[in-house]
Amino acid sequence: EVQVVESGGGLVQPGGSLRLSCVGSGFTLSGYNMNWVRQAPGKGLEWLSYSRGSGSTLYLADSVKGRFTVSRDNAKNSLYLQMNRVRAEDTAVYYCGRDKRGPDDCMDVWGKGTTVTVSS
Amino acid sequence: DIQMTQSPSSISASVGDKVTITCRASQSIASSLAWYQQKPGKAPELLIYSASNLEGGVPSRFSGSGSGTDFTLTINSLQPEDFALYYCQQGGSFPLTFGAGTKVEIK
Repeated sequence: EVQVVESGGGLVQPGGSLRLSCVGSGFTLSGYNMNWVRQAPGKGLEWLSYSRGSGSTLYLADSVKGRFTVSRDNAKNSLYLQMNRVRAEDTAVYYCGRDKRGPDDCMDVWGKGTTVTVSS
Repeated sequence: DIQMTQSPSSISASVGDKVTITCRASQSIASSLAWYQQKPGKAPELLIYSASNLEGGVPSRFSGSGSGTDFTLTINSLQPEDFALYYCQQGGSFPLTFGAGTKVEIK
């Protein structure tokens, strides 16, 4: 079964750091472009990042640029979101989404998400 | 950035009804439009990609249309499991952007 599983969420203080992980199974993550998307409590979906399977291209939303970074470990079939200098407004469920192969970018496989709460 | 405007924000409907949700992009995105369904406490699920292509496993009562700036998601003969939130998302350029969502509620 093709799936992704996120982990690493939790409670973090403002200004702190957290690293989220996304592990793929049933497919080779390095063969796919991948996204991070988040959803604040009671709010809509916000795209955060896109990375190519090769790791050569990375796009980040302005809201996290300079604070969050994305990396991959293809040997572990994993994608990571390093969150630094977190703010209260970063509180959300964070989803990893596999980019569907094709002419435009959308997400055909989503994990269940991992919850990040930023609070003192 | 491309802004995605969804309407209505909510709709009350009955089982068996036909429901139409629209999404407008602030500039042309050709056919680079996806629709997702999200149920409470769950991750979004892809319904439609490239404006009108049904994702595998999605019931045929769902359909999408449109190109350029105006798009439509239609649900024919609404079923109990279709009461959920629906989001559009443009995939034509970065940053990828989502509409604010449409809640389909039971009348």
